[in-house]
Amino acid sequence: AQSVTQLGSHVSVSEGALVLLRCNYSSSVPPYLFWYVQYPNQGLQLLLKYTSAATLVKGINGFEAEFKKSETSFHLTKPSAHMSDAAEYFCAVDLFNDYKLSFGAGTTVTVRA
Amino acid sequence: EPEVTQTPSHQVTQMGQEVILRCVPISNHLYFYWYRQILGQKVEFLVSFYNNEISEKSEIFDDQFSVERPDGSNFTLKIRSTKLEDSAMYFCASSGPRANYGYTFGSGTRLTVV
Repeated sequence: AQSVTQLGSHVSVSEGALVLLRCNYSSSVPPYLFWYVQYPNQGLQLLLKYTSAATLVKGINGFEAEFKKSETSFHLTKPSAHMSDAAEYFCAVDLFNDYKLSFGAGTTVTVRA
Repeated sequence: EPEVTQTPSHQVTQMGQEVILRCVPISNHLYFYWYRQILGQKVEFLVSFYNNEISEKSEIFDDQFSVERPDGSNFTLKIRSTKLEDSAMYFCASSGPRANYGYTFGSGTRLTVV
């Protein structure tokens, strides 16, 4: 069974518009949650992580994500998209006692001028 | 900021040949991982390594794969007899005590089997 689901394989936004990438997890115990970004032909860079502290997590490059236990979600947002935000974004979970990351299928973000 | 270092960045090999992908994890990390990403697909877990032994492996990690930490700093992934379908980006990662340190990924090795 999928432990993490990303809704929407491709999101297209205008420069300056809100970026919203959706991630839902499947676990009875709240996991640790992560968002990674991958630029073309590059590795995985950590954007932000939730490890049971504050539910609103701020990351790099103006991104933030909110952990909502009632919705089993960890959606990623950025108020104003920049051309440099064009990349692949992966949500990942570290389930309780799992000791590894499981990745979602990824969401490709394109930014229109 | 500490980094996970992977070498080589790109390797081309003939089908049936053995390849060794190398990684230097962050020095005070305890858990080590290999992940694979076939072009255009999701990042898939291969294997985790803790206390000098494999702690978990996926169904992808069959007998042709092995991992080793030969000298306390390097962490290697060996593919004994490569197949065309092994062509992928291979990422090494390391982490400290659970998610307190998060998971740090290397920049990857792109393996092309021809």
